[in-house]
Formats: sequence, C-alpha cells, structure tokens
Amino acid sequence: DAGVIQSPRHEVTEMGQEVTLRCKPISGHNSLFWYRQTMMRGLELLIYFNNNVPIDDSGMPEDRFSAKMPNASFSTLKIQPSEPRDSAVYFCASSPGAISEAFFGQGTRLTVV
Amino acid sequence: QKEVEQNSGPLSVPEGAIASLNCTYSDRGSQSFFWYRQYSGKSPELIMFIYSNGDKEDGRFTAQLNKASQYVSLLIRDSQPSDSATYLCAAFLNTGTASKLTFGTGTRLQVTL
Repeated sequence: DAGVIQSPRHEVTEMGQEVTLRCKPISGHNSLFWYRQTMMRGLELLIYFNNNVPIDDSGMPEDRFSAKMPNASFSTLKIQPSEPRDSAVYFCASSPGAISEAFFGQGTRLTVV
Repeated sequence: QKEVEQNSGPLSVPEGAIASLNCTYSDRGSQSFFWYRQYSGKSPELIMFIYSNGDKEDGRFTAQLNKASQYVSLLIRDSQPSDSATYLCAAFLNTGTASKLTFGTGTRLQVTL
C-alpha cells in the first residue's frame, strides 16, 4: 500500500479564495483524521470520521472549514473563504480502528497571502 | 486543561545519555498511548505504543505507562544526534462507536555532540 496520500503538497492562495485539500486513506482503515499543525498550537485535531461518518468536528475552527468523506477512499477538507491565519500544515491520518496507531500522510503546507 | 500535555522543551542531552520525555493525559478512558517522532518538515512517524501499565522496551526505546497517575513517558537510551526531533505523545480513546487520537504539543529533543 502506498500509505496515506495527500494532495496538493503545497498550496499558496490569496485571501478570500476557496482551498480544497484532499486525502486518500490506507485501504481498509475505517478511521480518518484531519489535523492542523502550527508552531504556536502544535498538532490540533480538526475532525475525524469513522466508517465515512463525521464523529466529532468540535476542532473545526469556524464555519469557513468543512470536511467530507463521500466514500471509504477519499476525503476533502475545504476552507472558504481562506484567511492568512489559516496558513499551516494540514495532515490527514488514517487508522484501522480500535487501539491502533494512526498513519500520517505527508501533509499539505498551506500559505494564504 | 488540555487533553494531552507535554513540556515543549527544548530538552538537551549529550550524546550517549538517556533522554526522558514525559506526558500526562486527562481522560481516564484513554486506552492506548503512542509516541511519535517528527523531524522538521516531515510528518509524524510512530516510535512506540503502549496500552498496559508498566514498561515496554523496543531497542533503545522504553515506554512507561501509569494509568493511575495518567502518566506516560518515553526513555531513549544511548541518545544519538539522529534522535534530535520533536516527540509527540498521543492518547487513543475508543468509545465503542468511534475512535479519537489526540496529540500533545510535543517536546523538542536536542542531542548534542
């Protein structure tokens, strides 16, 4: 398996634009996590899905952020409109389930100017 | 109170010494615990996991768990310059219907020559 695949690896966009980050989890994993990492706040859990269903989105900073998982092999995190304070590295991770480690993708470095 | 807390460091140890990294967690229902290593600009990668009280050893690494004190630690023996990285502690909670993996902010370790 190729591991968790994220795209794009880097994204530079202007304030106010819509940004969509994509993730393909490892096949067979039933939990998917979206994290945001910044120097100031570390690795923050934004939302996680179990069997494609959003379970807890309390970490989503505000309504500008939304996430979907239309099927077991694809998830998106969308920011609309984007703001400079959204600049961070966004990681997607997947896990086989109970008492299991999470495998991380390579991350998307987002810069909003 | 943060769900998982770590000292941000940096923790500086000389080459060949033992590095001791500590972590506390707030949710007594947490079932398993993970230590991830993250090099600058890279994604987190798993070092060790532990879910039973006591010690678990793997090569130069020993994870220790004390559920009564809600405390997890990672010992690195014979520290090498290549161990210099940020170490992230994570707690995994399985509610029966879903799983959640929460990270601390990480401790930066510097191994000096």
